Amino acid sequence: GESVGLHLPTLSVQEGDNSIINCAYSNSASDYFIWYKQESGKGPQFIIDIRSNMDKRQGQRVTVLLNKTVKHLSLQIAATQPGDSAVYFCADLGGGSQGNLIFGKGTKLSVKP
Amino acid sequence: GAGVSQTPSNKVTEKGKYVELRCDPISGHTALYWYRQSLGQGPEFLIYFQGTGAADDSGLPNDRFFAVRPEGSVSTLKIQRTERGDSAVYLCASSTTGTGLDEQFFGPGTRLTVL
Repeated sequence: GESVGLHLPTLSVQEGDNSIINCAYSNSASDYFIWYKQESGKGPQFIIDIRSNMDKRQGQRVTVLLNKTVKHLSLQIAATQPGDSAVYFCADLGGGSQGNLIFGKGTKLSVKP
Repeated sequence: GAGVSQTPSNKVTEKGKYVELRCDPISGHTALYWYRQSLGQGPEFLIYFQGTGAADDSGLPNDRFFAVRPEGSVSTLKIQRTERGDSAVYLCASSTTGTGLDEQFFGPGTRLTVL
C-alpha cells in the first residue's frame, strides 16, 4: 500500500555540521510533502513543505529537496544546533482526502556538542 | 496566542473502560484532525472535521472509536471498551481552512495507557 518511510532511524551529528535526513515515498500521485520536527513529549511541529511542482525549497537553515524521479525527499539542516535534536518526520498528503497526512516512521537526530 | 490544547495530558484506564479525550483547537480554525501515535512510529490519521461534520473518518480502526465536534470548535474522541492495543499518544491538530495545503498545528497529545 501507500507508504512514506525513512531510510535511517537514527542520525548523530556534531554541532555546527550539516544534517541530511532522507525520506522515500511510494505514491507517485503524491503532490504535497511536509517535514515535521517532534521533540520529546510534544506534538509535531511544522518545519517546511514542498509541492510536487518544485524540486527545492529553502527556509531558515533548512532546505527540502524533492526528486520525483526516484520518489525521494530530503531535509537538510545547516549548522546543526543542540536545539535541533528531535525526531523528524516526513509526511505526504497523498492519502486521498484533504488533511489526511501519511507520516513516515521518523529519524531521530542527535546533536553532539 | 494559544495553541492547540489537549486534556488530559495522561490517562490511565483499565481494559474494558470508556474514555474521552478532549481537544481545544486554535480559535477560528475550521478544520480539526485526530491522529494516533504508537511508540516509535509516526502519527496515524484517525478522523478529520470540517466545522461540525466529519469529512473523513476512514482512519478510525473500528466502531469502538467515535469523535464529535458539536459546535465546530472543541472535539472529543471517545473510545469504548478500551483494549491494551489502544495504548498510544492521541494527537489533535487544527488548521485554518482544511484545504489540505494549510499548516496543521498539533497539540501536545494525550498519552493513553490501558492496563
